[in-house]
Amino acid sequence: DGGITQSPKYLFRKEGQNVTLSCEQNLNHDAMYWYRQDPGQGLRLIYYSQIVNDFQKGDIAEGYSVSREKKESFPLTVTSAQKNPTAFYLCASSQSWGAPYEAFFGQGTRLTVV
Amino acid sequence: AQKVTQAQTEISVVEKEDVTLDCVYETRDTTYYLFWYKQPPSGELVFLIRRNSFDEQNEISGRYSWNFQKSTSSFNFTITASQVVDSAVYFCALTYGQNFVFGPGTRLSVLP
Repeated sequence: DGGITQSPKYLFRKEGQNVTLSCEQNLNHDAMYWYRQDPGQGLRLIYYSQIVNDFQKGDIAEGYSVSREKKESFPLTVTSAQKNPTAFYLCASSQSWGAPYEAFFGQGTRLTVV
Repeated sequence: AQKVTQAQTEISVVEKEDVTLDCVYETRDTTYYLFWYKQPPSGELVFLIRRNSFDEQNEISGRYSWNFQKSTSSFNFTITASQVVDSAVYFCALTYGQNFVFGPGTRLSVLP
């Protein structure tokens, strides 16, 4: 089935560690996004990518890094520079860059700092 | 700047009641798109509807209906005869340049 797969579903990080969240899509979408969701808040954009080997910072990119070496994959690394990384992370993709096409989302990764 | 407000943080209704979720947006763009998404407990956001700024017709899909009014910058969502399976967080979103801006969401609880 076509869709977006995020892994792992739950992730625990120790202070000072970098961790990488995986996002894979088989929808042949050009655009991919990473969002962060905190309780009681909407989704905030971390990074987005329109095409392979190109990506742009979103509203809260500090402490995060991404790569887009393949169309299907858009991994997110949460670095030790991210001071408050505990959150729910959602990856999304869309058929073309921006509007009007809706974004399709993965099931998310819940990251907890221990 | 673009902004989406969902003033209702949480709503509880009893099954079979009708419920309306409010969405008010701000934008300086003349062409824009509005969306509604549902986030069930599993976490994945599910797309419900897309509406462009030139189409003010209301839309009905089964028990769901949407009321878009440019004059009041609102895009409200009504669920008729709510069911327990409708319990979720609902997000309204607006295009922002080449991206999307989301409202804070409304948590809907439908009690049996």
